[in-house]
Amino acid sequence: NAGVTQTPKFQVLKTGQSMTLQCAQDMNHEYMSWYRQDPGMGLRLIHYSVGAGITDQGEVPNGYNVSRSTTEDFPLRLLSAAPSQTSVYFCASSYTGTGGTYEQYFGPGTRLTVT
Amino acid sequence: AQSVAQPEDQVNVAEGNPLTVKCTYSVSGNPYLFWYVQYPNRGLQFLLKYITGDNLVKGSYGFEAEFNKSQTSFHLKKPSALVSDSALYFCAVRDRGFQKLVFGTGTRLLVSP
Repeated sequence: NAGVTQTPKFQVLKTGQSMTLQCAQDMNHEYMSWYRQDPGMGLRLIHYSVGAGITDQGEVPNGYNVSRSTTEDFPLRLLSAAPSQTSVYFCASSYTGTGGTYEQYFGPGTRLTVT
Repeated sequence: AQSVAQPEDQVNVAEGNPLTVKCTYSVSGNPYLFWYVQYPNRGLQFLLKYITGDNLVKGSYGFEAEFNKSQTSFHLKKPSALVSDSALYFCAVRDRGFQKLVFGTGTRLLVSP
């Protein structure tokens, strides 16, 4: 069981470039989410998904797109990178079925710098 | 809307002393409450949760937390701190009617030898 995996670990982009942060989980979790972590602001929810084909916006969705074509994968796309998107990005997943207690499992993070 | 407050940016404690990291929450219904720990350059690790039942919940690494409904608090505690407990701690809440988890801003715990 690899848990939640994220690639890449580090990335430097120039303003205006686009890229996709990858996230995968092998626990058959329905719920997946993306957070960004900035100093003094904790974790803020960007987008989340309650199952394949279903996504919704979180607290800070602007500038990001997501899709969920399979249960396992939940990529986050930066459409046109801006310095304000410099952050550490975490993907998380949880089981939400009957009897589940909903703790989220986190990936190791992607540190993104936009210059 | 759900919200979580961690009123202390940093907590300092000497090794061997008890520690408390504070958390208060606001939800419209009955909450699911969680504590996570983050070590440097790592993802968040789940410590413990309150879902229902006993107000005192025990978790990993000797940590426990007390759910207090009247004070809407869920403080994290440990009877005897270790230097290795030094890390960033996050409280989180989920309204039972919703999927989303809302995190506090985090409290840095520093345990001195």
